[in-house]
Amino acid sequence: QVQLQESGPGLVKPSQTLSLTCTVSGGSISSGSYYWSWIRQPAGKGLEWIGRIYTSGSTNYNPSLKSRVTISVDTSKNQFSLKLSSVTAADTAVYYCARVSVEVAGTFDYWGQGTLVTVSS
Amino acid sequence: DIVMTQTPLSLSVTPGQPASISCKSSQSLLHSDGKTYLYWYLQKPGQPPQLLIYEVSNRFSGVPDRFSGSGSGTDFTLKISRVEAEDVGVYYCMQSIQLPRYTFGQGTKLEIK
Repeated sequence: QVQLQESGPGLVKPSQTLSLTCTVSGGSISSGSYYWSWIRQPAGKGLEWIGRIYTSGSTNYNPSLKSRVTISVDTSKNQFSLKLSSVTAADTAVYYCARVSVEVAGTFDYWGQGTLVTVSS
Repeated sequence: DIVMTQTPLSLSVTPGQPASISCKSSQSLLHSDGKTYLYWYLQKPGQPPQLLIYEVSNRFSGVPDRFSGSGSGTDFTLKISRVEAEDVGVYYCMQSIQLPRYTFGQGTKLEIK
């Protein structure tokens, strides 16, 4: 059974960089069948896709966040990470990592439980 | 960008009764490969979203057959034939034709009467 677990600071100061890691267990992040994604959800609001990474390191980002987002992968640790720079209160949200199929393009089939990140001084 | 619009935004259903949620996209989700890239997710309270339906009408593994999806082009519908208490949560439609940007609808909150 594949499991994903987000980790990182729950509180980030404005203008600083938010950093989160997703650890994958029960399956290899190096599988060529999946992308690995970050999605966020402000409290009481909908879902916003942030970006994805392939095992090769190839990335795609939401254009609305592209200038501030970096997603990276560490296959040796079976982890992928998110960095979001110059954060503001608008970046306060639950951040999810998820696996999405390459073959069936929109199937986010496994998700982490999510981690709340609050941007506040 | 493709905008996904769901209606209604909330509904209250008596157990055993049917429920229906509409999702309209601002552009056709029919790809030249013949597939239509429309998905449905359910986010139960306190949980991450879970995949219900992929490519309009295909139930994901383990999804009860009371859930069904239909539609084409820009108009799609999720139906629950007989709502159960465990179906409460927020339902989202999502498109993936305009990759790599996945976009979700606003969500429809289902409550039990």
